[in-house]
Amino acid sequence: EVVLTQSPATLSVSPGERVTLSCRASQSVSSNLTWYQQKPGQAPRLLIHGASTRATGIPARFSGRGSGTEFTLTISSLQSEDFAIYYCQQYNNWPLTFGGGTKVEIK
Amino acid sequence: VQLVQSGAEVKKPGATVKISCRISGYTFTDSYIHWVQQAPGKGFEWVGLVDPEDGETFYEEKFQGRVTITADTSTDTAYMELSSLRSEDTAVYYCATDLSRGVDYRFDPWGQGTLVTVSS
Repeated sequence: EVVLTQSPATLSVSPGERVTLSCRASQSVSSNLTWYQQKPGQAPRLLIHGASTRATGIPARFSGRGSGTEFTLTISSLQSEDFAIYYCQQYNNWPLTFGGGTKVEIK
Repeated sequence: VQLVQSGAEVKKPGATVKISCRISGYTFTDSYIHWVQQAPGKGFEWVGLVDPEDGETFYEEKFQGRVTITADTSTDTAYMELSSLRSEDTAVYYCATDLSRGVDYRFDPWGQGTLVTVSS
């Protein structure tokens, strides 16, 4: 199965900062990668699909890039509501697999 | 679009649990329904999916033989049944809809989650 490795595990940042999260795949997944945001006690929320397409209603400060094995999610100016855990997920190969997540916390 | 799941369950090892996921706001057969496991403090593991149009299912190999996912088009409800429960199955189980029907397997939205606790 495709293993997705997210880094760093935790990111401590201040509001207004720019953050970049990484997701690396153990083999090529083309552009078949999705990003989700999860806040404590809540279900995940779709942010990005197809590696770079923002889902409906997602603010423009969220952007995704990459293809093959290297992907990034960038939040251009972190807002208070963005402190959460971010997960990547690939759908290029069965089974569908998720990364271990990056927690973005307040510095 | 809304997915509403059944409530928390407490089961003994070896038992079977069946969770429901009722959808509203779109045509049930226009999507795939996926089930995803999130163990306490852990990430996500995909369990499987059902195509409500024809009932076809695909399961993660780890759960094969113990999980059954079904879709009832008369009530717009999907179900996940997990048998031979063990402590490692303690987790929140989410249903999620894929309106792309496998084009890009985007899970949007998700149900609120159902906590299953396996304990003697």
